[in-house]
Amino acid sequence: DAKTTQPTSMDCAEGRAANLPCNHSTISGNEYVYWYRQIHSQGPQYIIHGLKNNETNEMASLIITEDRKSSTLILPHATLRDTAVYYCIALTQGGSEKLVFGKGMKLTVNP
Amino acid sequence: DAGVIQSPRHEVTEMGQEVTLRCKPISGHDYLFWYRQTMMRGLELLIYFNNNVPIDDSGMPEDRFSAKMPNASFSTLKIQPSEPRDSAVYFCASSFAPFYYTFGSGTRLTVV
Repeated sequence: DAKTTQPTSMDCAEGRAANLPCNHSTISGNEYVYWYRQIHSQGPQYIIHGLKNNETNEMASLIITEDRKSSTLILPHATLRDTAVYYCIALTQGGSEKLVFGKGMKLTVNP
Repeated sequence: DAGVIQSPRHEVTEMGQEVTLRCKPISGHDYLFWYRQTMMRGLELLIYFNNNVPIDDSGMPEDRFSAKMPNASFSTLKIQPSEPRDSAVYFCASSFAPFYYTFGSGTRLTVV
């Protein structure tokens, strides 16, 4: 599975959009980009995933560049409850079922 | 659905004692995963099951750790004997398909 790179941390103002970047320059054609987050003291939570088209659900939007070398998770109206560690993971569906977490990125939403 | 249920939420034990962590996956999910989280090492996958069968236990740190899944609704992770370095938060997760994991609230283990 491709390696992903995220900033260590970022801040966002409450009510503003939070744009969380992820680089995956070695991603292959059949690797999906998955996003999870972990709010303090809780288990990780699935957010969204995509292959090459942009995706949106009730939690967030995922924008994947045309060359698929990077993506951005967008929380349209960040709240204090969105403060968490966010993990971007590249995975091959049909390959190993294992989800391996990296260090992730700490998002702090400030009032 | 009550989600993935783990017990106990907190466990404090003395070094050398046996510790058993429990997990009830979401009904209908056929994958079950055990993770361990520490500040130093982050989230580590220990073992996972598919249809109650252990598929990959390469993350189990040593023979002191064992995991079982006797049926589709129950799994245990046992540490015997426990050591202070086993102190961590242990998460169980279940899934009906790869990567759509639902995690439990975790068990915080402290070995003194």
